[in-house]
Amino acid sequence: DVKVTQSSRYLVKRTGEKVFLECVQDMDHENMFWYRQDPGLGLRLIYFSYDVKMKEKGDIPEGYSVSREKKERFSLILESASTNQTSMYLCASMPPSGTAQDKQYFGPGTRLTVT
Amino acid sequence: LAKTTQPISMDSYEGQEVNITCSHNNIATNDYITWYQQFPSQGPRFIIQGYKTKVTNEVASLFIPADRKSSTLSLPRVSLSDTAVYYCLVGLTGGFKTIFGAGTRLFVKA
Repeated sequence: DVKVTQSSRYLVKRTGEKVFLECVQDMDHENMFWYRQDPGLGLRLIYFSYDVKMKEKGDIPEGYSVSREKKERFSLILESASTNQTSMYLCASMPPSGTAQDKQYFGPGTRLTVT
Repeated sequence: LAKTTQPISMDSYEGQEVNITCSHNNIATNDYITWYQQFPSQGPRFIIQGYKTKVTNEVASLFIPADRKSSTLSLPRVSLSDTAVYYCLVGLTGGFKTIFGAGTRLFVKA
């Protein structure tokens, strides 16, 4: 079974801090994603990466950056955390396009609170 | 990118069949339809995916009419553990920039 792990389940940070959220997958997937989830808004894509050192903006990239130095690891960075970035952050990975039943495998999520 | 419209919430009783319909009027020729399930405090989990007609697996069935402007997820004989949020997604396989939307919150009662 694919396993996607996230560095923390719960995180509390102060406004202005630099925050790193780490995601690791063990299935050698090319594609990795970062979403945030807020009540009533579903999941919104922040960034995705289709290969090492490659990244693409999603729908809400403002205030975030990402890093993919190794295939198995995709990091989400909040350069200067703000209270409106309080949210649940979900990481996902996916095998290359065209494989049978393309589907995203999600981690358990990190609930970030910025005070 | 095709957006989707689903009911915000649905209630059901144990043992009933539940059908959740998703509208996607602007679906493109190459788009697939994928459904995910999410329990509280967990990430979404893939349920089923299809392109046209009917797809069935051990968890659910997916019905897609000929015009593909909507799809229906069918959950046979639901149990309390099927209480979750169900998301309909439309996009190319590869998942890039697929839109999850707000999903449908299903509540199964005893």
